[in-house]
Amino acid sequence: QVQLVESGGGLVKPGGSLRLSCAASGFTFSDYYMSWIRQAPGKGLEWVSYISSRGDYIKFADSVKGRFTISRDNAKNSLFLQLSSLGAEDTAVYYCARTQASNRLEYWGQGTLVTVSS
Amino acid sequence: QSVLTQPPSVSAAPAQKVTISCSGSSSNIGKNYVSWYQQLPGTAPKLLIYDNNKRPSGIPDRFSGSRSGTSATLGISGLQTGDEADYYCGTWDSSLSVGVFGGGTKLTVL
Repeated sequence: QVQLVESGGGLVKPGGSLRLSCAASGFTFSDYYMSWIRQAPGKGLEWVSYISSRGDYIKFADSVKGRFTISRDNAKNSLFLQLSSLGAEDTAVYYCARTQASNRLEYWGQGTLVTVSS
Repeated sequence: QSVLTQPPSVSAAPAQKVTISCSGSSSNIGKNYVSWYQQLPGTAPKLLIYDNNKRPSGIPDRFSGSRSGTSATLGISGLQTGDEADYYCGTWDSSLSVGVFGGGTKLTVL
């Protein structure tokens, strides 16, 4: 069965950096686009970024553009999100999701919490 | 301020039917397929409806979706207490070139 497991979250100071990982299993990872979505505490969903199956097409939300980087390692069935210049507004649970056309998010991981605080 | 507009909350009695609206524009709902997600308390979202009205395997036919113009609707019939959750609509916005969600609707089964 499809499984997505995020890791790498934690407490980071404002201005700091963090690298999130998403380990995929149960499907041919290299065949699928992948996305990151976040949810601030008590708030709704916010689309963050996606990456094409080969990693050659990438999009970011304006709120993270220039600060976040998305990448993938198809040989290791892994997706990454590098977060930098973090601010309090980036505090959220970050989910990875297998993605189809029109931003259909088919399967989601359980999420990893990023807390930005001094 | 979400790009897609949903009512903050809806409620209905068990066994009744409820609908949740999602309003957008010609660059998102009017041009791209809509998906709906269910987020039970304390859990990750789950795909409920895709391509406006299709259900993934395992989703009961009590859940339905439709789209008309720049709006979409999620219907839930035969309400159960286990349906209490937050529901989100989502799609792609072709003008902004970003994924977009509604603000979410909290369903209460009275």
